[in-house]
Amino acid sequence: SQTIHQWPATLVQPVGSPLSLECTVEGTSNPNLYWYRQAAGRGLQLLFYSVGIGQISSEVPQNLSASRPQDRQFILSSKKLLLSDSGFYLCAWEGNGYTFGSGTRLTVV
Amino acid sequence: ELKVEQNPLFLSMQEGKNYTIYCNYSTTSDRLYWYRQDPGKSLESLFVLLSNGAVKQEGRLMASLDTKARLSTLHITAAVHDLSATYFCAVTIIQGAQKLVFGQGTRLTINP
Repeated sequence: SQTIHQWPATLVQPVGSPLSLECTVEGTSNPNLYWYRQAAGRGLQLLFYSVGIGQISSEVPQNLSASRPQDRQFILSSKKLLLSDSGFYLCAWEGNGYTFGSGTRLTVV
Repeated sequence: ELKVEQNPLFLSMQEGKNYTIYCNYSTTSDRLYWYRQDPGKSLESLFVLLSNGAVKQEGRLMASLDTKARLSTLHITAAVHDLSATYFCAVTIIQGAQKLVFGQGTRLTINP
């Protein structure tokens, strides 16, 4: 069966520090992968999507970047975090519908 | 640009009552999803609706889709406290790749 793993679950980082969030998928190959962000009390905003290794599309200009170094690995990064980067980050893959990871709650202080 | 709007955004109701959450979307789409989110948690898939007139039911929740009106409803029957959560509808569009666009969410609180 297909599963999606996301870590870490929570993260508190100072402003200006780097960020790396990782998402991996098991049980499938060449999945479409997505990063969403949810600000407190808000809906979900699509940040990046990827249809294959090295193929990244950005939905909104921002302080973040994404990479897909392997077929089933999707990484969200930042060189220098801003306070506005705080939120709940969700990775998702599209297979038989969309399946979401457990999420990472990022607080930038 | 696809817009997905939910109504209402906040809903407080008593146990045992019925209510409906509405989801309107602005452009043609081939599928619509309903998700549940508990506080601090990820999204749990409830329903996927694929065609006009589709109706799906699970327990006290029933979802329907009218593609001509670009409207989906999530109906809650005889609400119980355990259904308190935020409910999201989401619609797929194809722009480069297939993407899922979410509504704002409806925060549902069910009081004893």
